[in-house]
Amino acid sequence: QSALTQPASVSGSPGQSITISCTGTSSDVGNYNFVSWYQQHPGKAPKFMVYGVNERPSGVSNRFSGSKSGNTASLTISGLQAEDEAHYYCCSYAGSGLWLFGGGTKLTVL
Amino acid sequence: QVRLQESGPRLVKPSETLSLTCTVSGGSFTNEYWSWIRQPPGKGLELIGHISYTGNTKYTPSLASRVIISLDTSKNQFSLKLSSVTAADTAVYYCAKFYCPSSSNCYGLDIWGQGTLVTVSS
Repeated sequence: QSALTQPASVSGSPGQSITISCTGTSSDVGNYNFVSWYQQHPGKAPKFMVYGVNERPSGVSNRFSGSKSGNTASLTISGLQAEDEAHYYCCSYAGSGLWLFGGGTKLTVL
Repeated sequence: QVRLQESGPRLVKPSETLSLTCTVSGGSFTNEYWSWIRQPPGKGLELIGHISYTGNTKYTPSLASRVIISLDTSKNQFSLKLSSVTAADTAVYYCAKFYCPSSSNCYGLDIWGQGTLVTVSS
């Protein structure tokens, strides 16, 4: 299995919305709704932000939302804030007990 | 609230075995799935493998020949052993818990330890 494909970087200004894509195959993203997203600030552990494609854990802002179309999942952050600047990783179940991460996307808030 | 804490040697010599333990506190250890993930400096996340509360394991294929994940329910701990390490195994190692609201569906990793940097060097 190969890692899921994410853009290396995205950027946006405060208040804007951005979307990060996560492209897999029909064996992982396209075949299961077990896609999750993680936020990681420098030197910190990843934080669980979205799961089940578009569900949010308790305490996560509703500015974060997920979606999926075919083999591509997406994370949208609306109303960008400075604190959203971080790396974001997607993760998908790939069958047979295996899980794949994306390569990560660095979000810069301009 | 469940909390996870990694422990173990921070420096391992090439060809030796990396050993880490994750201690689980503040919640139930049973009926959960536990995982190890690593992140080389400046790079992305890689899920090494996971273990169920019954002891069933699954490892990522690229590491399967060198990895063992085990469970000690009496101590609320699970462990990672990675043998024959090289410099390429230098990384921050995280332990984490899967979010599995039902026994048949897990959705991702909801609780993470703080991570521990393990360096492979002579």
